[in-house]
Formats: sequence, C-alpha cells, structure tokens
Amino acid sequence: AQKVTQAQTEISVVEKEDVTLDCVYETRDTTYYLFWYKQPPSGELVFLIRRNSFDEQNEISGRYSWNFQKSTSSFNFTITASQVVDSAVYFCALSEARGGATNKLIFGTGTLLAVQP
Amino acid sequence: ETGVTQSPTHLIKTRGQQVTLRCSSQSGHNTVSWYQQALGQGPQFIFQYYREEENGRGNFPPRFSGLQFPNYSSELNVNALELDDSALYLCASSTAGTVTDTQYFGPGTRLTVL
Repeated sequence: AQKVTQAQTEISVVEKEDVTLDCVYETRDTTYYLFWYKQPPSGELVFLIRRNSFDEQNEISGRYSWNFQKSTSSFNFTITASQVVDSAVYFCALSEARGGATNKLIFGTGTLLAVQP
Repeated sequence: ETGVTQSPTHLIKTRGQQVTLRCSSQSGHNTVSWYQQALGQGPQFIFQYYREEENGRGNFPPRFSGLQFPNYSSELNVNALELDDSALYLCASSTAGTVTDTQYFGPGTRLTVL
C-alpha cells in the first residue's frame, strides 16, 4: 500500500540553525515521483521539488537541499541557515504510475517548522 | 503565485445544506484535482478532472461531485453537508493528469459546517 510518513509533527529551531525534515514512503511501484510542498499560514501549497524514482542524485537549491535514498525509502529535506520566513508546514507527497490515469498525490501528515528569531 | 484561483475564500454552511466551490486552473493546464485537508492533516485526494471527464476518484462518497468546463475551470459540489466536511478544500491544476506532471495549488476555500 502506498503511504507517506512524516514522523516529526513539530520542529522548533532558532534562526540560522540547520534543520532536516524527514520523509519515509511506501510503494510497490517501481516508477513514482516524490514531492515536497510548503504550506504557509495563508494555506496555499507551494511546490518546492519533484524527484522521480530513477534519479537518486541529491539536489541543492539555495538554502534547500534534498536527500533521496531508495535503499531506506526516504526523501529528506534540509534547510540550511533557517530564517523566520521558513516557518510553515512542510508536506512530503508521493505520486505513483500505478495510480492509473491520475497523478494523484498521497501526502504525509506534515511537519510544522517554527523558526524563532 | 501559481495562477490557480479559488472562490470563495471562506464559507459557512449548516448541516444538510449544499455547497459549490470554484477553481480556475493555471493557463495552459487542462487537468484539475481537488483535495480535502482537515485541520492538522495532509490533503486527501477527492477526484480529478481531465478534459471535462472525471479521471480518478479517491475514497469520498457520491455526495461529493464535480464538473469541469470547456475552459478547464472546475466546480466541486458537496450535498447534504456533514460536520466532518469542515476543512480546507484545495484545487490543483496540471498540464495533464499523468504521474510526470506537477500539480500547482490554489489558495484554498475554507469551509465551516455548523
């Protein structure tokens, strides 16, 4: 069964600290995509990154980096030198080819990140 | 901003009533998906519309229905509202309903059922 687990419900850090958000997924499919979305208090889900199951290269975008490891079914997200504006709920999501015609997203329960000044 | 818009922003209804939520997709996108996000939870897939046809459905009862129009905008209709329907309803658009396509979300409609 497909599932996304974000075990960290809430994380609180002080500005400029590095923080890693964990994501573990379950799928029987060999072709799938993993996503991270950010949800600020306004409610809109903001797309951050998409990785496909055949590309395990880590990715860095500014202060953001992602570590994808198929061996542990994990897709972790690190924010370096966190800022107050990073405060939000972060969701990891999975989309499977087995899902048929749709690209429906299966979300985790989210991690609330609070960055204190 | 993604270019996906939703209306209204907030809505208050009473149990048993019916509600219609609206979504305009991003330019160039022909697929719209709807999600329900209860407080403190991740979004749950309701259904998807691709070129005016339902293209997949999550585990939601038939009183949740939808439409997609020729301009690819979409409506979500919920009949016989229940208290548990109180949630943030998110619309997402993509270029096509395939696994390779990224979904871009609108700001959501917050529905409160009293």
